[in-house]
Amino acid sequence: NAGVTQTPKFQVLKTGQSMTLQCAQDMNHNSMYWYRQDPGMGLRLIYYSASEGTTDKGEVPNGYNVSRLNKREFSLRLESAAPSQTSVYFCASSEERRGPSSYEQYFGPGTRLTVT
Amino acid sequence: AQSVTQPDIHITVSEGASLELRCNYSYGATPYLFWYVQSPGQGLQLLLKYFSGDTLVQGIKGFEAEFKRSQSSFNLRKPSVHWSDAAEYFCAVGVKSGTASKLTFGTGTRLQVTL
Repeated sequence: NAGVTQTPKFQVLKTGQSMTLQCAQDMNHNSMYWYRQDPGMGLRLIYYSASEGTTDKGEVPNGYNVSRLNKREFSLRLESAAPSQTSVYFCASSEERRGPSSYEQYFGPGTRLTVT
Repeated sequence: AQSVTQPDIHITVSEGASLELRCNYSYGATPYLFWYVQSPGQGLQLLLKYFSGDTLVQGIKGFEAEFKRSQSSFNLRKPSVHWSDAAEYFCAVGVKSGTASKLTFGTGTRLQVTL
């Protein structure tokens, strides 16, 4: 049982390049999330998917797109990378049951992205 | 709008000393509150959670937290810190938005442990 996995672990891009960050979970969770973590700013939500086939913007969606490929996988795409997107990106999932346990999120190990 | 404040950016304690990390939240309804820990280069791990009931909750690794509604606080405590506790700690509040259950995080407190 791997939990939440993310690839790649590290990536360096040049300004204007594109790339896709991959995330998969094997816990049969319904909801999945993408965050970015920047020093002194905590985690900020980029996009989320409450269930397969649905996606919604979070707090900082500009410059990103997402795809909920199936129940397991949720990818984050940078179409034209900018230095401001240098960050650590975390994927998370939760079992969207009714009630407070639906807020309990499980995190992947992160992808450290540098845009030069 | 909901928010979480962690007023201490960086705390240093000696190994064996007690620890308290502060967290204040702003949320109109009954809050669901969480503490996560992030070791260097790792993802976030859930330490403990408060949903309802007993205001003192126990978590993993010997941590506990106390919910105080009157102070809008959910402070994390540990009686005796170990060197392995050095990490960054995040407080979060659960927020319902449409069909999604989301977390709003504080900016984190970095804990350094001296030997």
